[in-house]
Amino acid sequence: EIMLTQSPATLSLSPGERATLSCRARQSVYSYLAWYQHKPGQPPRLLIYDAFNRATGIPSRFSGSGSGTDYTLTIDSLEPEDFAVYYCQQRYKWPLTFGGGTKVDIK
Amino acid sequence: EVKLLESGGGLGQPGGSLRLSCAASGFTFSTYGMTWVRQAPGKGLEWVSSITASGATTYYADSVKGRFTISRDNSRNTLYLQMNNLRAEDTALYYCAKRTSNGDWFFDSWGLGNLVTVSS
Repeated sequence: EIMLTQSPATLSLSPGERATLSCRARQSVYSYLAWYQHKPGQPPRLLIYDAFNRATGIPSRFSGSGSGTDYTLTIDSLEPEDFAVYYCQQRYKWPLTFGGGTKVDIK
Repeated sequence: EVKLLESGGGLGQPGGSLRLSCAASGFTFSTYGMTWVRQAPGKGLEWVSSITASGATTYYADSVKGRFTISRDNSRNTLYLQMNNLRAEDTALYYCAKRTSNGDWFFDSWGLGNLVTVSS
């Protein structure tokens, strides 16, 4: 099983600031990595797939980067609706796995 | 518009069984792989099981293998999760989710979730 470790666990920022979230895999996932946003009472929302491709309808302030074992989700200029929990997920190898999540909360 | 509606959860006894259903609409169900993901109270997302579009191939997390069975009825546009020998640690909100249009095992549409509570 490919373990994904997300850091930090919590990120406290103000609207307008940049958020940088990390996801590290125990072994290479060859860019087969996605990012989801999850808000309370709502289902997860796919933001980024295959490391850097934005999903349909996702604003350009969300971007993904990385390769091998290390991946980053960047949110430029946080909007009020961006405060949520973010998860990474790999599809390189079964079983599919999610990271433990990073909570972005308001400072 | 893609819609996924889970049902069938509720209270289950330890060692007992429940069956979740996920009714799909707004897309050609028979051409997409589907998945169940769960979230235990206060915890993160956990992948549970996936099934290919035809139903020929299934995948399971080790935590549910041998106890849960994923299936689908493409004539009814419905996904199922048969959960047997329930354990307290199966208590979670269960989401069904649709595979992305480009065929990757990522998930671009999700239901609202259905709560399963395992308790005596």
